Amino acid sequence: KAGVTQTPRYLIKTRGQQVTLSCSPISGHRSVSWYQQTPGQGLQFLFEYFSETQRNKGNFPGRFSGRQFSNSRSEMNVSTLELGDSALYLCASSFGGGDEKLFFGSGTQLSVL
Amino acid sequence: GENVEQHPSTLSVQEGDSAVIKCTYSDSASNYFPWYKQELGKGPQLIIDIRSNVGEKKDQRIAVTLNKTAKHFSLHITETQPEDSAVYFCAAPFQEYGNKLVFGAGTILRVKS
Repeated sequence: KAGVTQTPRYLIKTRGQQVTLSCSPISGHRSVSWYQQTPGQGLQFLFEYFSETQRNKGNFPGRFSGRQFSNSRSEMNVSTLELGDSALYLCASSFGGGDEKLFFGSGTQLSVL
Repeated sequence: GENVEQHPSTLSVQEGDSAVIKCTYSDSASNYFPWYKQELGKGPQLIIDIRSNVGEKKDQRIAVTLNKTAKHFSLHITETQPEDSAVYFCAAPFQEYGNKLVFGAGTILRVKS
């Protein structure tokens, strides 16, 4: 069974630009959660999508948004990039029925210059 | 807000010794406690988890113990090997985020051979 796939693996952007990251969950998983990982703040919950709807949201500004497609694939978008957005963005999938076992992808490393 | 505290932040042990990492959580409603291992360049991988209806769970050289009254849980690794070197994260679900996982800050484990 294929794991969680995130693309691209690396991204370099400049301040003010926007970026879109993609995540394909494990087959059969309907929930996709996004986390931001930085050396200073650790792993922080961004949001969760289930059945194409945002189900839960962390404490991030509106510049961070996402969506989920009917095949459960998800994208997250960050607009008006800031230097502080440089981080590893991790996607995790689960069945979404209350079972909290999360399976993570390898992440997208975003560098904002 | 809700949080998970993890100690120590770094841990060095000699190959063959045991390693213990401890976490405390603040949401008394939390009922699921996973541990993740993250190696360089990879996303976190679930290594063991425990639910609040049991006090201890073992899987070969790793074990997790839970004290729900004190709201803390621990990861125990016995007979450590160099390949155990990684960053370990504990996590717990929080109602504030719709029961999504909140992670501890991580422990860098170095096993010296």
